[in-house]
Amino acid sequence: KQEVTQIPAALSVPEGENLVLNCSFTDSAIYNLQWFRQDPGKGLTSLLLIQSSQREQTSGRLNASLDKSSGRSTLYIAASQPGDSATYLCAMNYGGATNKLIFGTGTLLAVQP
Amino acid sequence: SQTIHQWPATLVQPVGSPLSLECTVEGTSNPNLYWYRQAAGRGLQLLFYSVGIGQISSEVPQNLSASRPQDRQFILSSKKLLLSDSSFYLCAWTRGRDYGYTFGSGTRLTVV
Repeated sequence: KQEVTQIPAALSVPEGENLVLNCSFTDSAIYNLQWFRQDPGKGLTSLLLIQSSQREQTSGRLNASLDKSSGRSTLYIAASQPGDSATYLCAMNYGGATNKLIFGTGTLLAVQP
Repeated sequence: SQTIHQWPATLVQPVGSPLSLECTVEGTSNPNLYWYRQAAGRGLQLLFYSVGIGQISSEVPQNLSASRPQDRQFILSSKKLLLSDSSFYLCAWTRGRDYGYTFGSGTRLTVV
């Protein structure tokens, strides 16, 4: 069974800290992996997409890494800001007929000013 | 550029009433389209997906149905809503498995 777990479930940090969000998956035969953020009551905003052949992707203060052999991905946020407060979700795409995403359980991040 | 529109943003419906949620994509052709549901405190569950006009696949049995009458239009429907249909519904699209997903802004459905 393809399962995706995110640790921690919730995280509170002071503004300016660097932080790491973790995502673990049981089936390493992924096609790609996508990180999203979700603000309360809103849709999902795509942050980064990592193909299975890639090790990392960067966008501004965000860096996502992928280690298929260990079944892990991390999202690194540098110099956190209160505006980063949201739920962060990782999602695996295993391709196939559906091309559907298998979502992680999410990490609720609060950055304190 | 491509955009996805989903409406309405919120909806309160009585039990037993019909439902129609609409999603449209602009700026692309032949997108893969998806309906997801996100229950409070729970993860996202895939409900339906479509790879072309008139082609609908269901992931889970339920009180809902989906249709794709046009290339860039995806509709989620129900003939009679149940209390358990209350949830947050999200539409999404992708060009294909080499590309990422883009989600709509979601519809908060409350059945009373």
